[in-house]
Parts: sequence; C-alpha cells; structure tokens
Amino acid sequence: GAVVSQHPSRVICKSGTSVKIECRSLDFQATTMFWYRQFPKQSLMLMATSNEGSKATYEQGVEKDKFLINHASLTLSTLTVTSAHPEDSSFYICSARTGYSSYEQYFGPGTRLTVT
Amino acid sequence: KQEVTQIPAALSVPEGENLVLNCSFTDSAIYNLQWFRQDPGKGLTSLLLIQSSQREQTSGRLNASLDKSSGRSTLYIAASQPGDSATYLCAVRSNSGNTPLVFGKGTRLSVIA
Repeated sequence: GAVVSQHPSRVICKSGTSVKIECRSLDFQATTMFWYRQFPKQSLMLMATSNEGSKATYEQGVEKDKFLINHASLTLSTLTVTSAHPEDSSFYICSARTGYSSYEQYFGPGTRLTVT
Repeated sequence: KQEVTQIPAALSVPEGENLVLNCSFTDSAIYNLQWFRQDPGKGLTSLLLIQSSQREQTSGRLNASLDKSSGRSTLYIAASQPGDSATYLCAVRSNSGNTPLVFGKGTRLSVIA
C-alpha cells in the first residue's frame, strides 16, 4: 500500500517559537494532502486541505496565519505552527490522496507536538 | 454538514467474545466509508473500506457492513483477542467532489485476557 511519512514524530518547543512538520508520500504522487489534529481521547479534526501548487483551504476556526501549509511538490507538504502556544500541543496527522476520485486517503504516523 | 457518531464510546469484553461496533452518519450521500484502528499515541491503520455501492467488506476476523440509506455501518470483530485492544475510528467521505474523510470520535476497545 501507499506509504506516508511524517517528520518529526515528536517535538517539544518553547512557547513563542515556530515548528515545522513535514509530510511525505513515499511511493506515490499526492495531488491532495490533508492536515488533521487530534486532542487526547478525541477524534481527528480536519484543519486544512491542500492541492499541489495551490493555496490551502482552511476549515472554519483554523487560523491560516498561525498554521502555515505549503504543498510545493507532489510528494511533500509542510505544516508550520507559528508562535506556538501550549494550547497548540496536540497530535498532528497528515493524509494524502492520489487524485480527486481516489478511493483512499493514506495517513502518516502523526507528530506529537508539545509546547512548553 | 456531515456528522459521524460512534457508539459505544468505550467497550470492554473478555477474550474470545464476538463484538459489534456501531457508526452512524447524518448525510447518506457518501462516496465511501472506512474503518481505522488507532493504537495509543500512534497513527491510523486502515482496516476496511466500503464503497457506497457495496454492502459489506471482510478481512480476516473483521467484517464491516454498510446501510447507506439508513446512515449506518457496523464493524464486527469475531473471536476477539487482547491484541485487538485499540481505538476504532469510523470515517466517511461525502459524495461531493474532492472532500476529505470526516471522522467519528471512535470506540475504545479493551479485550481482557
């Protein structure tokens, strides 16, 4: 099956700093990537959808200036949490799909962000 | 807006028991439905995907059914094992173009040896 990787798997940063999370599709071209966040014992909440070469579409309530998403190539998307605060601490999971009519989304292993 | 509900939120069963997890969704116009497994602190493992035209899918001890008209799906696990302990997530993709999966809150399953 298709493989999606995320880096780093865990990151701890100080309040006020920025953190970048990378999401890569290893053996397929991802025309669409999704970023989700998950709080403890909660479900995955979609943050944004990005198509390669286009600006990301953010879900209601997600600050686009705080969560910068770049999908510059068909195999890489990045999420940058700017000026991180403790309330941004969460589990961030990316997902990739090969095309508009693709049957499945493939998920990365997630990144645990802790802001101190 | 699509909403996905999973019942129960948590379930504890003795090893060997057969069990059913339930998922319901508000908008029956779906493209497909997918069941995932998530271990604590880990990502998602896809278990079964059912297209909107299908009624069920099977993989080993797992069987997922779909009743699109009533907005329901079930995941049946036969002969449960302690290794099945995890959170099971149901997600649907709506039948409206390039839409992402919408997730339920999951069912936390504990299988006691």
